[in-house]
Amino acid sequence: EPEVTQTPSHQVTQMGQEVILRCVPISNHLYFYWYRQILGQKVEFLVSFYNNEISEKSEIFDDQFSVERPDGSNFTLKIRSTKLEDSAMYFCASTSGPNTGELFFGEGSRLTVL
Amino acid sequence: GENVEQHPSTLSVQEGDSAVIKCTYSDSASNYFPWYKQELGKRPQLIIDIRSNVGEKKDQRIAVTLNKTAKHFSLHITETQPEDSAVYFCAAKENTGFQKLVFGTGTRLLVSP
Repeated sequence: EPEVTQTPSHQVTQMGQEVILRCVPISNHLYFYWYRQILGQKVEFLVSFYNNEISEKSEIFDDQFSVERPDGSNFTLKIRSTKLEDSAMYFCASTSGPNTGELFFGEGSRLTVL
Repeated sequence: GENVEQHPSTLSVQEGDSAVIKCTYSDSASNYFPWYKQELGKRPQLIIDIRSNVGEKKDQRIAVTLNKTAKHFSLHITETQPEDSAVYFCAAKENTGFQKLVFGTGTRLLVSP
């Protein structure tokens, strides 16, 4: 069964450092998403991406965040200058269409900012 | 924007009992309501979903009901088993062109043998 893969599974960084989280969406999917989950809390939408541009973003997704599809397979989330409150699990997801139902989540990347 | 409330936050049942988790949403334009199960340290996994043109959907021991008028939907698990123990999240899809899901706060279900 195809799945979304994410790397790294866990990253520890110092406050102020840049972090890049990587995702490989399911190969025939065209719509990509990042969600985050602070420990013990609910999953929150960050951004959706289609046709090489951001289609929607939440208020969490401020100027410190950016997304990119650098090649035909990867989808990345960059946090420019990490803050303590950026510590969370970040989930990448993809769908084949905008309204096709199931959102396929990756296993997540746990970010710890010290 | 959409807001989803979920109750209860924790639910303890005996194996074999039924479990019911309830959610309400605020945006009457929301049209898709998935339920996710999340085990500790793992990704959320879809267990059942329902669209706004359907009132009820069942898949073996799991069912979801939707009341559009009242803007609430519920997850029903019958004959619970210890492996059903997990955190369950409801979600609502905003009526945009993409899968922007607004999640509830989660229900920790504990099924005791």
